[in-house]
Amino acid sequence: EAQVTQNPRYLITVTGKKLTVTCSQNMNHEYMSWYRQDPGLGLRQIYYSMNVEVTDKGDVPEGYKVSRKEKRNFPLILESPSPNQTSLYFCASSFQNTNEQFFGPGTRLTVL
Amino acid sequence: KQEVTQIPAALSVPEGENLVLNCSFTDSAIYNLQWFRQDPGKGLTSLLLIQSSQREQTSGRLNASLDKSSGRSTLYIAASQPGDSATYLCAVRPRTALIFGKGTTLSVSS
Repeated sequence: EAQVTQNPRYLITVTGKKLTVTCSQNMNHEYMSWYRQDPGLGLRQIYYSMNVEVTDKGDVPEGYKVSRKEKRNFPLILESPSPNQTSLYFCASSFQNTNEQFFGPGTRLTVL
Repeated sequence: KQEVTQIPAALSVPEGENLVLNCSFTDSAIYNLQWFRQDPGKGLTSLLLIQSSQREQTSGRLNASLDKSSGRSTLYIAASQPGDSATYLCAVRPRTALIFGKGTTLSVSS
């Protein structure tokens, strides 16, 4: 089944403890991105990747890192999480930048 | 800066009614527009994608239109059902990111 998967789906952590949220797609998509969704603010892009080893900042990149070493994987790294990073995170992918985007199931992160 | 607005924010209708959800955007320089459905606590399901050169797309009971010059799109849902209850999100793609509206929460009662 063609899909975007994320792990973990739920995570509660404490301030400053490094964490990684994984994202994987099995559709051979070149473009991948991360969004966060917050009440009243909607969905906003954090980082995106046009292809392997090509990444760039979205609208809200502060406090996050990404890497794209393989086409199928695009992990989101929080080196030192803070409470303002408590949010619902979505990974998305598409064949190319302008094609239909497919979203993962989301990761709900709580930073205490 | 591109802004996307969805009106109304919430809508309640009885089963069987035809309805229209509205989306407006401030900058017509977009590659495409995509409509999504989000169920509570769940991810986003893509419903329809309209490229900037297209005027409309149809899938089953759904029909989406795009008027790029006026910065508007509508999502038409025919013969609504309780299973259509969800939040509907409109998103435009001016460059690399999707810019989302805040959504319309639809409730269809049986």
